[in-house]
Amino acid sequence: EMQLVEAGGGLVQPGGSLRLSCAASGEIFSTYWMTWLRQAPGKGLEWVANINNDGGESHYVDSVKGRFTISRDNAKNLLYLQLNSLTAEDTAIYYCARGGSTTSWYWVYWGQGTLVTVSS
Amino acid sequence: IQLTQSPSSLSASVGDRVTITCRASQGISSALAWYQQKPGKIPKLLIHHASGLGDGVPSRFSGGGSGTDFSLTISSLQPEDFATYYCQHFNNYPITFGQGTRLEIK
Repeated sequence: EMQLVEAGGGLVQPGGSLRLSCAASGEIFSTYWMTWLRQAPGKGLEWVANINNDGGESHYVDSVKGRFTISRDNAKNLLYLQLNSLTAEDTAIYYCARGGSTTSWYWVYWGQGTLVTVSS
Repeated sequence: IQLTQSPSSLSASVGDRVTITCRASQGISSALAWYQQKPGKIPKLLIHHASGLGDGVPSRFSGGGSGTDFSLTISSLQPEDFATYYCQHFNNYPITFGQGTRLEIK
């Protein structure tokens, strides 16, 4: 069973940047697609980005394309999300997640989330 | 692909049979999952591939459908089932969720 722990959230001004990280343990991180999702306060779930096992392929929701970058360091069992040009609409809890199999796009394992607040 | 859940909210009693529906704006075969989320908690996978029961999920939960119309049924509501439920497709990008169905105690 994989454990996921996010970090890096906080308060940032509009236009600012933040880098989130997700530390994975318990299973072979390097064999799995990994995903970032988010949930704005009181709102529903939104898929943000995912990345394949070796970092060579990634996909993004349109609203973050060109502003967010997903990456991973398999040697350190870390997943990242670089957030640039932040707006109030990016305020949310950000979760990292992993599927039940190496390539599944539904998620069994979730971290507890890290809150990003974009406000002046 | 847009996913539309019905109803958006629902009041029911312990022991009731409840069905939530999810309609996709285009066909997604069986590439649909259902999640349960309680306030302040992370989502929990209930159903994958439209009807596959997630690990450790009670058998009172069941999923059905294919193409554009899907359902999540709870055969006999338990107190711990009062939560918000989301459907999610994984047929192609972008992956999207339904808006959620809030299940409340009557």
